[in-house]
Amino acid sequence: GNSVTQMEGPVTLSEEAFLTINCTYTATGYPSLFWYVQYPGEGLQLLLKATKADDKGSNKGFEATYRKETTSFHLEKGSVQVSDSAVYFCALILGGGGNKLTFGTGTQLKVEL
Amino acid sequence: GAVVSQHPSRVICKSGTSVKIECRSLDFQATTMFWYRQFPKQSLMLMATSNEGSKATYEQGVEKDKFLINHASLTLSTLTVTSAHPEDSSFYICSASQAGSEQYFGPGTRLTVT
Repeated sequence: GNSVTQMEGPVTLSEEAFLTINCTYTATGYPSLFWYVQYPGEGLQLLLKATKADDKGSNKGFEATYRKETTSFHLEKGSVQVSDSAVYFCALILGGGGNKLTFGTGTQLKVEL
Repeated sequence: GAVVSQHPSRVICKSGTSVKIECRSLDFQATTMFWYRQFPKQSLMLMATSNEGSKATYEQGVEKDKFLINHASLTLSTLTVTSAHPEDSSFYICSASQAGSEQYFGPGTRLTVT
């Protein structure tokens, strides 16, 4: 079946540090890949996405590249801010899957001054 | 735009009672709504998919008689947990999409069954 594996958190960084949150997937076809972010007390928001191999999604300084050869979609940001503190979810959708998202467990990021 | 609300945000109920959770799309018409359940430090698990005006499609292992889903209009879906038990305590999240586009998520409802 389809699954998404994320690194466990919490991840604690100092402001302006480099961020990587690892995400790998298993899928029976060619999925579209997503990163969602959940700020405290709020719903999930789409952060970025990539729909085919070698695509790079980017938003708000975050980037992730769809790597088919390693089945990965690692999230990166060059310089994190305190306001980036949130829970980050990696997810996939398979074409023809009825728009159903398969989520990873989420990784909590804490950014300190 | 694309705001989804849930009500209530938190609810405590006694074992054996039923509780209803509402999910509303505030500024768009949601042809499809999804209901997820999230356990602490675990993934969001899809429970069911509902299309406006038709019966919900439940994922394997989800009891449809226990988790009643109604999608009566293009802006409202409800999840009713019937005869709730402590093991039903969880965080329930809905999402809504229009014509197969991006899903927009609600803020979630924390259910505690005592």
